[in-house]
Amino acid sequence: ETGVTQTPRHLVMGMTNKKSLKCEQHLGHNAMYWYKQSAKKPLELMFVYNFKEQTENNSVPSRFSPECPNSSHLFLHLHTLQPEDSALYLCASSQVEGDYGYTFGSGTRLTVV
Amino acid sequence: QKEVEQNSGPLSVPEGAIASLNCTYSDRVSQSFFWYRQYSGKSPELIMSIYSNGDKEDGRFTAQLNKASQYVSLLIRDSQPSDSATYLCAVNLAGANNLFFGTGTRLTVIP
Repeated sequence: ETGVTQTPRHLVMGMTNKKSLKCEQHLGHNAMYWYKQSAKKPLELMFVYNFKEQTENNSVPSRFSPECPNSSHLFLHLHTLQPEDSALYLCASSQVEGDYGYTFGSGTRLTVV
Repeated sequence: QKEVEQNSGPLSVPEGAIASLNCTYSDRVSQSFFWYRQYSGKSPELIMSIYSNGDKEDGRFTAQLNKASQYVSLLIRDSQPSDSATYLCAVNLAGANNLFFGTGTRLTVIP
């Protein structure tokens, strides 16, 4: 495996379900991110982890709960979501030092019904 | 307030023409600038980065940065149908580790 891998690629869940999104990076990076991409809107930064410590929570509702057990893995736990949470959820990684941009995973297309 | 503005398009150019994509940003301390390409149904892919005023060329792509005008652009020469995608401008603040994105410009190259 190379790059940034996300699972699952697609997820349909009911509003009472609990599910988790998984992200793994194989690039030796030390920062990981969750972004939300909705139609007609800019990519929205949700969470930032530097050296597996959360450094930013961008006013995200508590129904989204991140977890970063180490610098290579990132999870987004979902519970009691709303239909407006349906979107493409993208994981990215980068080096904290230097400034070389982010590498994105292929994303999870989430539909809340 | 940190904002990155792009013309959402769609921008249509004939094959072989130059496509010009523009981006403005509001925060004067912005330091690093990136262009991502996103094909429909795919994730963003980094294609260019630029950090200092002037032009930076990479193959058919040229990024232009003017910090005084808070403006960054991407030129695609000899446009190909495979260049048809949404192009996202992203800006990073000095000392920060957060990229701020524009809404993207959808480019269509007509064969």
